[in-house]
Amino acid sequence: SAVISQKPSRDICQRGTSLTIQCQVDSQVTMMFWYRQQPGQSLTLIATANQGSEATYESGFVIDKFPISRPNLTFSTLTVSNMSPEDSSIYLCSVAAGGHGELFFGEGSRLTVL
Amino acid sequence: QKEVEQNSGPLSVPEGAIASLNCTYSDRGSQSFFWYRQYSGKSPELIMFIYSNGDKEDGRFTAQLNKASQYVSLLIRDSQPSDSATYLCAVNTAGSYQLTFGKGTKLSVIP
Repeated sequence: SAVISQKPSRDICQRGTSLTIQCQVDSQVTMMFWYRQQPGQSLTLIATANQGSEATYESGFVIDKFPISRPNLTFSTLTVSNMSPEDSSIYLCSVAAGGHGELFFGEGSRLTVL
Repeated sequence: QKEVEQNSGPLSVPEGAIASLNCTYSDRGSQSFFWYRQYSGKSPELIMFIYSNGDKEDGRFTAQLNKASQYVSLLIRDSQPSDSATYLCAVNTAGSYQLTFGKGTKLSVIP
C-alpha cells in the first residue's frame, strides 16, 4: 500500500469561492484518482489524474468545475470551483498500488459550502 | 452502465456471530472484486480482494465469488463491535483501475 496525505482535512467555504485540495503520496504512482462521496452516498469517480497530460473526467464532471493538476508521480491537486452547497462532500484522493487494481485512499477532505 | 448493488442495511448481528454481506454486479466483464470498510467519518480501507471463483480467507474475513451468478460476498466470523462500519463492495473490469462502488451495507455488531 501507499501512504496518502490529503489537505485540508476539512474546510467550510462560502458559496462562489474555490478550494484546492492537495494529495501527496509517499511513493511514485502511475494512477491517481479523485472521488467524491456525498453525504450518505457511496463513492463516485470524478476523474483520473494523468501525469503530464490533462485529467480524464467521468460523465457529469467537467474540467471547468473540477480542474486537476498532476505535476509529478507523487502529487495531485483537485480544485472545486465556484462552489455551491451541492458541492458539500468528502473528496478523496486514491492511488492504484497493487497488481489487481487495488485502490488505496487518502483520509479525505470534508468540504462544507454555506 | 455498470452497477453494483448492496443491501443498505443496517445489518445487526450479535457479538461472536457470523456477519454475511452480499453484493451483486451487472457487468459480466468485471475482473476483480474488492471489499472496503469505512468507519463513520473516515475514508475507505481495503479489507480484501478476490478475482477467482471460490473462497478467499484472511483471518476472520472470507470473500466468496461466483462469477456465473455475478455475486460476491464477505463473511466476518466472530464479529466484534469494532467491526461495526459500512462495508463497500467495488468491482473493476480487466485492464482498468477504475472501481465502481456499491452504496455500502452498514453493519452493527451488538455487544
